[in-house]
Amino acid sequence: EAQVTQNPRYLITVTGKKLTVTCSQNMNHEYMSWYRQDPGLGLRQIYYSMNVEVTDKGDVPEGYKVSRKEKRNFPLILESPSPNQTSLYFCASSLSEAYNEQFFGPGTRLTVL
Amino acid sequence: DQQVKQNSPSLSVQEGRISILNCDYTNSMFDYFLWYKKYPAEGPTFLISISSIKDKNEDGRFTVFLNKSAKHLSLHIVPSQPGDSAVYFCAAPLLEGGKLIFGQGTELSVKP
Repeated sequence: EAQVTQNPRYLITVTGKKLTVTCSQNMNHEYMSWYRQDPGLGLRQIYYSMNVEVTDKGDVPEGYKVSRKEKRNFPLILESPSPNQTSLYFCASSLSEAYNEQFFGPGTRLTVL
Repeated sequence: DQQVKQNSPSLSVQEGRISILNCDYTNSMFDYFLWYKKYPAEGPTFLISISSIKDKNEDGRFTVFLNKSAKHLSLHIVPSQPGDSAVYFCAAPLLEGGKLIFGQGTELSVKP
C-alpha cells in the first residue's frame, strides 16, 4: 500500500531534550516536506526536499533541522525543543514538486513542556 | 504576511445545498492552486487543482473557479453531503515548485 508513515504519532517531551520525528514514504517520490498545523494559522511549511541531499527552508524553519540521505526518509530534528514548537506535524511527499499532489502522513502530535 | 488567505474559519451548509469555500491570494506570481481536505486525526488529502491558464476546473461534485484579476478562487461542492464535513485548505506553490503556501483553512459542516 502506498503510504507516508510518521513516528511517533504522539510525543510529550520537555524543553531542551533533543528529539527526532521520522518520516518514510514507499512511493519512490523525489519531493518531501514537513508542515506544522496550528489553530488559526493553517499549515505552514518547515522544510522541503526536492531530492536526496537537497533540502531548503520553508516558511518556519527556525528551531528545526532536516536531512535527506535516502530517497524514502526525511526525518525532522528538534535539537532543543521549546514550548512554542508544541504543534501537530505532518510529513508529505509527491512525485517531484509541490505542484504535484502531495500525500500526507497521519501526523505527529508533539507537546513540549 | 499571509500570501494565501481563507477569511472564513467555518461554514455550515444543509445537505444537498451548495457549499462555497473562498480563498484570496496576494502574490501575482502564483500560477497554480491546489485544494486539500482534512478530516480530524488524519493527514490532508488532495482534492482538486487549477492552473492559472484556466478559470475553471471540475471533478465530479467539486468545481474550482479562478478569478485572476481579483486574485480570488473558490471551491464549489454541489450537492453537499455530510461526508464532506472537513477542513479545506487552499494552497499555492512557489519557487519552482519547492515551497507550498497554505491558507488558514475553512471548516465545513454539512448538516443532514
